Order: sequence, then C-alpha cells, then structure tokens
Amino acid sequence: ETGVTQTPRHLVMGMTNKKSLKCEQHLGHNAMYWYKQSAKKPLELMFVYSLEERVENNSVPSRFSPECPNSSHLFLHLHTLQPEDSALYLCASSHSGRAYWNEQFFGPGTRLTVL
Amino acid sequence: DAKTTQPPSMDCAEGRAANLPCNHSTISGNEYVYWYRQIHSQGPQYIIHGLKNNETNEMASLIITEDRKSSTLILPHATLRDTAVYYCIVSDSRLTFGEGTQLTVNP
Repeated sequence: ETGVTQTPRHLVMGMTNKKSLKCEQHLGHNAMYWYKQSAKKPLELMFVYSLEERVENNSVPSRFSPECPNSSHLFLHLHTLQPEDSALYLCASSHSGRAYWNEQFFGPGTRLTVL
Repeated sequence: DAKTTQPPSMDCAEGRAANLPCNHSTISGNEYVYWYRQIHSQGPQYIIHGLKNNETNEMASLIITEDRKSSTLILPHATLRDTAVYYCIVSDSRLTFGEGTQLTVNP
C-alpha cells in the first residue's frame, strides 16, 4: 500500500460511453498527477495539479478531462474514447515543492479497455 | 532533460547484490538522478535520488561517478520480490520515464 488508491482497478467501456477514474491519496500531499502507460511504451505524463490548480497539460486530447476538487482527490473524466486509448492509467502524488515533486507515490493504476 | 541509457535486461542470483548501471553523459549541473522501479501490474515505486553525493536508504544505494556521467543503483541483497523494471531518470523538472532495465532475480 502506497497511500494512493485508484478506482476502479479495471474498466471496459465502449467508444460512446462516459466514465470517470478516481484517485485518492492519504499522504498529505498537495500535488497530483495522471500518467498513461500503453503496452510496450514508456509512461507518459498527462496532467499535473499543484495546490488544486492544473499546472501542466501535456498535449492530451480533450476527450480526457481531469478534475481536482481538493488536494486529496483527482479524477479523470473520459468520453468518446478510441481503442488506442486502452492503457494503464496511473495516478501519483507528491509534495508540491520543487525539491519534492519528483518523489512521487503511485497508485496501482486503472486498466482501461476501450472497445 | 538529459537522456539515459540502461541495459534492457539483467539477471541476479537471490541474496547477491544487484548492480544496475545507468549512463547519462549529457547530464547538466542542476539535474538530479532518480531511480524508480515497477513490479509487474503495479504502479512505479520511488527508490532513491541524488545529485552529486552517493546516497543510501533502506531500499538501495546510489553511486554517482565524480563526473556525474553515470550512476549505479545497488540492491545489496536481492530477493525474488525485487524482480521489476528499474528506471533511471535524470531531471531538473518533471519525470520522463524510459524503457528501463528488467531485473530478474533468480532463486
């Protein structure tokens, strides 16, 4: 247990569905991250939230919509996804200071399959 | 961020030290060296990081050469549970994961 939980652990959805991934951290951190890990590709950083403000969006398509209502919770809202969006979606958290933001704690991930 | 080069795979006998190398010849003065690992079907796990000096914690030791162009992660007594992909990342900003080294610890 890393102190970062993600739900659901597995999700199968059609291209016309709308779903949300949830991440919760119990570490007192104030920065949260979404990563995507596709088969046979390195982890890709998608979004960064610091103190509940989105500070980075790495050219992610608008069909992925993040939300950070408070420093403990992070959501990734999904709509009209494509089969190539099937991947492991990982959430991480850290302290927000520059000295700490690369000491990240990851959740177990949500395995997403888009049919 | 500087590019890193790691061997794609390594094997180690259980109970022996695992020494994982990483080359980062273009590292700049303010870039740190980070090590993470990812056990199959789990999220990555932070191991250790350093700037110039060697570092040690309860998981591993990090040896950085004096010119900072390479480093070695040392797991002093590898166990089967240390089988994972190990990522060496050089950064002064965000983490950029590469392909890493698949370490297999054999009984």
